Amino acid sequence: QVQLVESGGGVVQPGGSLRLSCAASGFTFSSCAMHWVRQAPGEGLEWVALISYDGINKFYADSVKGRFTISRDNSKNTLYLQLNSLRAEDTAVYYCATDSQRYFDSWGRGMLVTVSS
Amino acid sequence: SYVLTQPPSVSVAPGKTATITCGGNNIGFKRVHWYQQKPGQAPVLVVYDDSDRPSGIPERFSGSNSGNTATLTISWVEAGDEADYYCQVWDSTSDHYVFGAGTKVTVL
Repeated sequence: QVQLVESGGGVVQPGGSLRLSCAASGFTFSSCAMHWVRQAPGEGLEWVALISYDGINKFYADSVKGRFTISRDNSKNTLYLQLNSLRAEDTAVYYCATDSQRYFDSWGRGMLVTVSS
Repeated sequence: SYVLTQPPSVSVAPGKTATITCGGNNIGFKRVHWYQQKPGQAPVLVVYDDSDRPSGIPERFSGSNSGNTATLTISWVEAGDEADYYCQVWDSTSDHYVFGAGTKVTVL
């Protein structure tokens, strides 16, 4: 079955950087567009970024555009999210998710990123 | 940007029906998807494309969409249905994915 496992989270100072990874298995990763979605503590879900199956097309939420970069390595079945210029409001659990016709059909367990001095 | 409006909370007795609404401008022209999220867990897709259910989701979960309101209905509510529920659409104008703020369903 589909498995998505995020890693790379932790505590980082404001202005700092972090790279999240999402290891995928149980499906043909190279054929699947992928997303990052985040959830601030006690808040709702917020879409962050999308990357096409081949890595060519990328889309970002306005709140992270220019600071975050989504990428993938299909040879390693891994999705990435590079987080730069981090702010306190970026504190959240970050989920990777598979795309299926404009919705999210499988989700990872999530990884907490805390931005704090 | 496109906005989805959900009631913050819905309370329902076991065995009764819970109705969760998701309002948006002409949302009937969009495909609406619903997710269930229990505390400390990742979201789970329960309805996609307005009214379809993924495999493994009970028939008690159903959806509809028309005009300015989409609806998730949970029939014969069980204690295990207590969770936050989020609606979601793709906004073609901005090429962004949009979530409602979520509705907390409490089983009395």
